[in-house]
Amino acid sequence: GESVGLHLPTLSVQEGDNSIINCAYSNSASDYFIWYKQESGKGPQFIIDIRSNMDKRQGQRVTVLLNKTVKHLSLQIAATQPGDSAVYFCAENRANQGGKLIFGQGTELSVKP
Amino acid sequence: EAGVAQSPRYKIIEKRQSVAFWCNPISGHATLYWYQQILGQGPKLLIQFQNNGVVDDSQLPKDRFSAERLKGVDSTLKIQPAKLEDSAVYLCASSLDPASGGLGGQYFGPGTRLTVL
Repeated sequence: GESVGLHLPTLSVQEGDNSIINCAYSNSASDYFIWYKQESGKGPQFIIDIRSNMDKRQGQRVTVLLNKTVKHLSLQIAATQPGDSAVYFCAENRANQGGKLIFGQGTELSVKP
Repeated sequence: EAGVAQSPRYKIIEKRQSVAFWCNPISGHATLYWYQQILGQGPKLLIQFQNNGVVDDSQLPKDRFSAERLKGVDSTLKIQPAKLEDSAVYLCASSLDPASGGLGGQYFGPGTRLTVL
């Protein structure tokens, strides 16, 4: 079936270290991927996105890598801070479905001071 | 700019009771989405509106769930009767249009946490 899933449910890192959160998807027709951050008691917040015709995209302290060969994407957070502690979701967008997002299960990132 | 507003923030009911959630999207956003997020999982789309018309309700359990957006602005989601498995956070999101909604342009509200006892 179609799914967007994450390899690890939890990730614990030391403050200042880099974090890598992984995501696998199964639908090769997906053309757009988005990473969301969700803090406790809040709705998901957009972090960064990437189109399927790109391999890498960088933002402020964040980088998303897309490997279409193995249907895998990752979110890298540089110099992780306590404020980065949250659950991170990858979401798959299918343009031919009116902007519908398919979310994965999520990875909980915990940053130790 | 004001974000997506939702109320109530928390609701506790007994099974077989009814409940309604309210959402006020960002001003000017034509597209509105309702998601169900079960603890430990990602949000799952229940229904998508474009103005006051339904674009996608394929995942909405229509025997007990209903939603409306009569004037193309605010929306309500209702569950009648509620079941134990309906316990979840119900998120509302909005975007300018369906195309931008997928392009990182969905803005989420804080959600309503529903507990069914």
